[in-house]
Amino acid sequence: GQSLEQPSEVTAVEGAIVQINCTYQTSGFYGLSWYQQHDGGAPTFLSYNGLDGLEETGRFSSFLSRSDSYGYLLLQELQMKDSASYFCARIAGNMLTFGGGTRLMVKP
Amino acid sequence: GAGVSQSPSNKVTEKGKDVELRCDPISGHTALYWYRQSLGQGLEFLIYFQGNSAPDKSGLPSDRFSAERTGGSVSTLTIQRTQQEDSAVYLCASSQSPDRNYGYTFGSGTRLTVV
Repeated sequence: GQSLEQPSEVTAVEGAIVQINCTYQTSGFYGLSWYQQHDGGAPTFLSYNGLDGLEETGRFSSFLSRSDSYGYLLLQELQMKDSASYFCARIAGNMLTFGGGTRLMVKP
Repeated sequence: GAGVSQSPSNKVTEKGKDVELRCDPISGHTALYWYRQSLGQGLEFLIYFQGNSAPDKSGLPSDRFSAERTGGSVSTLTIQRTQQEDSAVYLCASSQSPDRNYGYTFGSGTRLTVV
């Protein structure tokens, strides 16, 4: 079964802010990463959280709370090109385990 | 190379045939991973190579699947006696282990279709 849980689908409008949540199993947990994947494309690395708190990279931010086994990806000023699948991935040991992905649809 | 290169990009094979999928990681990346992604699904871990250490094969779904990495660089994933359920996109990734902050760089994948 999945060791990470994230919503399967999110819809938002252009210019808005959207938050994609991820909860994970704590066994051996080291850190949480986020990846973006456009249809037919390869996953691309967005961010990594090894410590609690917020990491900001341009319009994208990622947050981690180890005590809550929870993280989220925040996308601001949404653009149509942000329509893609977003995966949280748990790092434990040397293995990256992915959630099932959240399909984000940005509407005009 | 500049990125992770995988070949072929598409492969259609008949059930029961063997297939070989190739991954050429970024030069200098010591860690190499194989994942499998079915349509609309997440990524399923298959196998991990780190330097000269024994690979972590814990994700291989059956003994029909095997992989090797020659000279710490190019890797080949072999699927013997392919079955229809093997149809998926096979993704390879490499990283500058153990620096996790840079993430993993994925190739564009090989789309395998077993007919």
